[in-house]
Amino acid sequence: SAVISQKPSRDICQRGTSLTIQCQVDSQVTMMFWYRQQPGQSLTLIATANQGSEATYESGFVIDKFPISRPNLTFSTLTVSNMSPEDSSIYLCSVEASGTTDTQYFGPGTRLTVL
Amino acid sequence: AQSVSQHNHHVILSEAASLELGCNYSYGGTVNLFWYVQYPGQHLQLLLKYFSGDPLVKGIKGFEAEFIKSKFSFNLRKPSVQWSDTAEYFCAVRKGSSASKIIFGSGTRLSIRP
Repeated sequence: SAVISQKPSRDICQRGTSLTIQCQVDSQVTMMFWYRQQPGQSLTLIATANQGSEATYESGFVIDKFPISRPNLTFSTLTVSNMSPEDSSIYLCSVEASGTTDTQYFGPGTRLTVL
Repeated sequence: AQSVSQHNHHVILSEAASLELGCNYSYGGTVNLFWYVQYPGQHLQLLLKYFSGDPLVKGIKGFEAEFIKSKFSFNLRKPSVQWSDTAEYFCAVRKGSSASKIIFGSGTRLSIRP
C-alpha cells in the first residue's frame, strides 16, 4: 500500500481566487490521480498525472481551470483556479502503488468551500 | 458509456443483522471490481477487489463479495454487522486494463444501530 497526505485538509476561499492542493506519497509511484467528490455524490476523476508528461484530463475538466503539476514520483499539486461556489467539493489524490496490481489508494482529501 | 449502479443510498441495520449491498455495472467485457469503504472522518480504504479466478472474494473485516458475470453484479455481503461498520461504501469498476480509469458508484451509506 501507500501512505498519502494532502495539504490543506480543508479551506474556505473567496470566489475568484485560486487554491493549490498538495499531495505527497511515501513511496515512488508512476500514476497519480485527482478526483472530486461533490456533496452527496460519488467520486469523479478530474485527471491522471504521470511524472514527466502532461496530465490527461477527463471530459468536462480543463487545464486552465485545474492545472496540475507532477515534478517527481512522490508529489503532485492540483490548483483550482478562479473558484466559484460550484467548486465546493472534496478533492482527493489517489495513487496506483508500485507492486500492487491495478489498485488505487486514496489520500484523506481536501474539503474546499467557496463563498 | 461505462456506469456503476448502487441500488441503496442509505441502509439502516441493527447490530448482528446480515448485510448485502447491491452493485451492478454496465460494461460487458473483462472488468476489475472493487469495494471501497469510507469510515466517518477517514479516507477511502480498499475493502476488497476482484480481478480473476474465484468469483467469491473475501476482504478485510469479514466482508465478502461475489462476482456474478451473467448479472453484471458484484454485491457486498457480511453475515453479521457491527456498529463499527457504519460508513459509506463505494463500488467501483475498471475495464480490464491498467490504462482504463476506475468508475465509482454513487455510494451507499450504512448506519448500524447499536
